[in-house]
Amino acid sequence: EVQLVQSGAEVKKPGESLRISCKGSGYSFTNYWISWVRQMPGKGLEWMGRIDPIDSYINYSPSFQGHVTISADNSISTAYLQWSSLKASDTVMYYCARTPKSGIPRYFDYWGQGTLVTVSS
Amino acid sequence: EIVLTQSPGTLSLSPGERATLSCRASQSVSSSYLTWYQQKPGQAPRLLIYGASSRATGIPDRFSGSGSGTDFTLTISRLEPEDFAVYYCQQYGSSPFTFGPGTKVDIK
Repeated sequence: EVQLVQSGAEVKKPGESLRISCKGSGYSFTNYWISWVRQMPGKGLEWMGRIDPIDSYINYSPSFQGHVTISADNSISTAYLQWSSLKASDTVMYYCARTPKSGIPRYFDYWGQGTLVTVSS
Repeated sequence: EIVLTQSPGTLSLSPGERATLSCRASQSVSSSYLTWYQQKPGQAPRLLIYGASSRATGIPDRFSGSGSGTDFTLTISRLEPEDFAVYYCQQYGSSPFTFGPGTKVDIK
């Protein structure tokens, strides 16, 4: 069974660093891009960026470039999203999702369950 | 950046009725890269339609997608109680891979 399992909810203070994870199982991790998608409370979905686990090539949305870092460790089938200094505005739900690298069309076929990050002093 | 606009913002319908949701792109999107997702409260989005018109695995045939270029449509032929949710279109053809703001289908 294909699964993307994300790390649990986090509560942090402004200025702290954080790394959340997304572990893939039930499929060949390197055959799929992993994207991160943000959803602010009661709002829509925003694509943040994606990584190719095989070579760690990363494609960021300009809206998020420089604010977050995406990485992956394909030896443990896990992708990461990290912040060096959190802000209150980072209080959001984050999802990971996978896209098959081969062929067309392109879409997010499986999603993680989401990680809620709360940043509050 | 390709901007996707969805209309209406909210669609209030009764079970058994037909729902027609629109997604308009600010520039042409290849049909291969236009996708629809369904999201229910407290859940992750779920793939519904990919390639503008292909149903994902396990999606009932009351869901259908159509369109090309800048205008795409998701149709739910007869609403079931479990279909009341938010629907997002998304384009995967040009980075950043943008989503529309969503259409909420709620019970009238």
